[in-house]
Amino acid sequence: QSALTQPASVSGSPGQSITISCTGTSSDVGGYNYVSWYQQHPGKAPKLMIYDVNNRPSGVSNRFSGSKSGNTASLTISGLQAEDEADYYCSSYTSSSTPYVFGTGTKVTVL
Amino acid sequence: QVQLVESGGGVVQPGRSLRLSCAASGFTFSSYGMHWVRQAPGKGLEWVAIISYDGSNKNYADSVKGRFAISRDNSKNTLYLQMNSLRDEDTAVYYCAKLIANNKWHVFGYWGQGTLVTVSS
Repeated sequence: QSALTQPASVSGSPGQSITISCTGTSSDVGGYNYVSWYQQHPGKAPKLMIYDVNNRPSGVSNRFSGSKSGNTASLTISGLQAEDEADYYCSSYTSSSTPYVFGTGTKVTVL
Repeated sequence: QVQLVESGGGVVQPGRSLRLSCAASGFTFSSYGMHWVRQAPGKGLEWVAIISYDGSNKNYADSVKGRFAISRDNSKNTLYLQMNSLRDEDTAVYYCAKLIANNKWHVFGYWGQGTLVTVSS
């Protein structure tokens, strides 16, 4: 099972919106509404930001939103803030023998 | 408040074994499935294993199948990962993670701070 494909880096200025893509196949992202997104600051544990494509856990800012079209899921961060600078990973359930797969990760830089 | 604290990491020679622990508190441990996820230095996340709330169901990544074993002791609120026949490529920070809800096996809701395993001769 190959990792889901994410852009290596995305950047934006404070207040802007950015979108991170996560591309898989019909066996993972495209086949199930089981895409999650995680934020990871350097040296810290990942934190769940979005689950089941577009659901936010309690306590997560509504500046974070998710969507999916075909085999590609997306995470949008609106009103970009300095604290949003981190690595972001998508994940999905997959029908392969290894049932859970992560994306390659995207480094978000706030200019 | 959910707390997950991993321990047991360290430096180990290739081919040797190591057992990781994850002490859980702040929730009813015996009601939730649990995962292990790892991250090699400077690399992305990789799912390792999952165990059901009662330990009756387990699943593993192909990369560790037959070498690693996940288990739990609900009386001690502790999750384990027994790692045998360790390889250089098993070097990583190992995180335990709790499901956000017991019907959402695919959602890593809460994470521990991780424990570093270094496989080196």
